[in-house]
Amino acid sequence: DIQMTQSPSSLSASLGDRVTITCQASHDISNYLNWYQQKPGKAPKLLISDASNLETGVPSRFSGSGSGTDFSFTISSLQPEDIATYYCQQYDRFPPRLTFGGGTKVEIK
Amino acid sequence: QLQLQESGPGLVKPSETLSLTCKVSGGSISSSSYYWGWIRQPPGKGLEWIGSIYYTGSTYYNPSLKSRVTISVDTSKDQFSLKLNSVTAADTSVYYCARHPARLLAARPFDYWGQGTLVIVSS
Repeated sequence: DIQMTQSPSSLSASLGDRVTITCQASHDISNYLNWYQQKPGKAPKLLISDASNLETGVPSRFSGSGSGTDFSFTISSLQPEDIATYYCQQYDRFPPRLTFGGGTKVEIK
Repeated sequence: QLQLQESGPGLVKPSETLSLTCKVSGGSISSSSYYWGWIRQPPGKGLEWIGSIYYTGSTYYNPSLKSRVTISVDTSKDQFSLKLNSVTAADTSVYYCARHPARLLAARPFDYWGQGTLVIVSS
C-alpha cells in the first residue's frame, strides 16, 4: 500500500523567497506525480502534471521535479497570491490507485 | 468550457446512504480519453480520492472506502453519481467531482473540478 509523505505541513516565508515542498513515495512511481494549489473555499487547481509539466497559464515561478520516489515543488519567488495550501497527488498503477499528500499550508512571514 | 456541478442532499443521517450526482456540461462524459472521479475533503483537512469511473462503467476505488462506495455513470444525461453507504460523522466533507485523463503510462491529474458540495452527516 503506497504512502505519500509531504513536507513540511506548513511553512512561513517572506515575499520574494524561494519556497520548496517535497513529496516522497513509499515505492517507485516513475513520474506519476501532480501538484495542486487550493485556496480557502475553492476547489484545487492543477499546477503541474507528470512531475514537471507546467499547466497552461500557470506562472513560470512554479516548477516541479523528481522521479521515482522523491519529488519537489518550488515557487521561485513567493507572491501574495501564492498564499494557499499545496498538495501532491500520485498515481499508482498496481493496483490502480490515486493518493494525495497531506498538504502544505504556505503563509507569509 | 467544460463544467462540472455536484448536486445532492447537504444533510444525511448516520447509517444512511449519501448520494450525489455530478453533471458534466460543455463536453461529453463519453470521451474515451477521461475518467470521472470523486474526491472529498473533511473540514479543515486534506484531500481524499474516493474513486473514478470510465464512460463504459469501469471503475476503480480507494481500497479504504471500497466496501461502502458505488460510482455509476449515465451517459445519456452526461452525469455520474456517488453512493456511500453506512455513513458516520467521519464522512462529513466537501465532496468534489473532477476529471482525469485515462492514460495508462502517465500521471492521472485532475484537470477540471466541480465547485464542491458540503455534506454533513448528523441526526
